[in-house]
Amino acid sequence: QVRLQESGPGRLKASQTLSLTCTVSGGSVTSSLYYWSWIRQHPGKGLEWIGYIYHSGTTYYNPSLESRLTMSVDTSKNQFSLYLRSVTAADTAVYYCARRFDNWFDSWGQGKLVFVSS
Amino acid sequence: QSVLTQPPSVSGAPGQRVTISCTGSSSNIGTGYDVNWYQQLPGTAPKLLIYANRKRPSGVPDRFSGSKSGTSASLAITGLQAEDEADYYCQSYDNTLSWVFGGGTKLTVL
Repeated sequence: QVRLQESGPGRLKASQTLSLTCTVSGGSVTSSLYYWSWIRQHPGKGLEWIGYIYHSGTTYYNPSLESRLTMSVDTSKNQFSLYLRSVTAADTAVYYCARRFDNWFDSWGQGKLVFVSS
Repeated sequence: QSVLTQPPSVSGAPGQRVTISCTGSSSNIGTGYDVNWYQQLPGTAPKLLIYANRKRPSGVPDRFSGSKSGTSASLAITGLQAEDEADYYCQSYDNTLSWVFGGGTKLTVL
């Protein structure tokens, strides 16, 4: 049973860079079957897909965030990471890492609340 | 405004059947992309409930079922139980926006 766990700072100031890491256990980020994704949920709101990274390093980002976004994967640590630059209060959300197979997200981390203060 | 439209809330008494609709367009569900459903219990992460329109992951009771027709999909829950009270989200793929979610539906068990 794969398990995903987000980690990183829970509070940022506006204009800083949000940095989160997802550690995968019980499975491997090098699997060719899966795409390692980030999804966020603004307080009391719905879900927003942020982007994904494949084990080869190939990435695909939400166009609305692409200009501020970078993702990376560390196969030696079985982790993948999210970097979102120049954050504002609008980036305050719970950030989930998730595993995508085909068109669906079959495993999710517990989520990491990130608060951006102005 | 979500690309996939869901009713904000539905409710039902224990034992009853409820359905949650998910309406898309010709650029997502109508193109033939599968619809998936997630259950989010209070304070927890979403959990895959239905994938590929009507398939259930291991461990999901058969009280939950999904269907799709044209540009819409539906989630049906029969034999409603108190533990089903949660937010439910549909999800698909969109030709322009990639992976998209519905706005979510809050299910209240009366």
